[in-house]
Amino acid sequence: KNEVEQSPQNLTAQEGEFITINCSYSVGISALHWLQQHPGGGIVSLFMLSSGKKKHGRLIATINIQEKHSSLHITASHPRDSAVYICAVIGMVGNEKLTFGTGTRLTIIP
Amino acid sequence: GAGVSQSPRYKVAKRGQDVALRCDPISGHVSLFWYQQALGQGPEFLTYFQNEAQLDKSGLPSDRFFAERPEGSVSTLKIQRTQQEDSAVYLCASSHTQREETQYFGPGTRLLVL
Repeated sequence: KNEVEQSPQNLTAQEGEFITINCSYSVGISALHWLQQHPGGGIVSLFMLSSGKKKHGRLIATINIQEKHSSLHITASHPRDSAVYICAVIGMVGNEKLTFGTGTRLTIIP
Repeated sequence: GAGVSQSPRYKVAKRGQDVALRCDPISGHVSLFWYQQALGQGPEFLTYFQNEAQLDKSGLPSDRFFAERPEGSVSTLKIQRTQQEDSAVYLCASSHTQREETQYFGPGTRLLVL
């Protein structure tokens, strides 16, 4: 079992829909990242959070440390949001290396 | 300002050939990470530097993989006697040293071993 699990693996939605991507992890963490990867492109950090909730534009990320769970929400989704969204965690001990989930491929249809 | 850059962006190698992949982190960033991303998978940790010191190389898949950062800035990942299973995107990321700092990723080097 991977230390970081994401669901769903693939998600297709109509433009304008509210999107939720989930991430569960099995280890103690000091922080969790949500990352975006476009096809053929590099990885961009969207959020880093260790508690509560963060919002940036149409994106919202929440984390529940007790339940070891985080969600990424996209409001009023747009075709340009189509990408792979990756959850990654930093463990509580050792260095700041990231342990990644396998990603959620999001496709928004106009 | 300049982000993390990597070169080459694409590399095709014949099996058995040695390759060297370069990463230029953001100036002043102490921490540098190498990750390997196979097709359709999430990235996996390879190695970590704090300045010039390689503090963790537990993710390197074999002794054919070697990384260095001799002056604490530019880093090189070298793969000797490449195998087909080495085909992947190699990602470099840098950050300030504190644990909860954002990691900034380079565009990656896509390696194809034939």
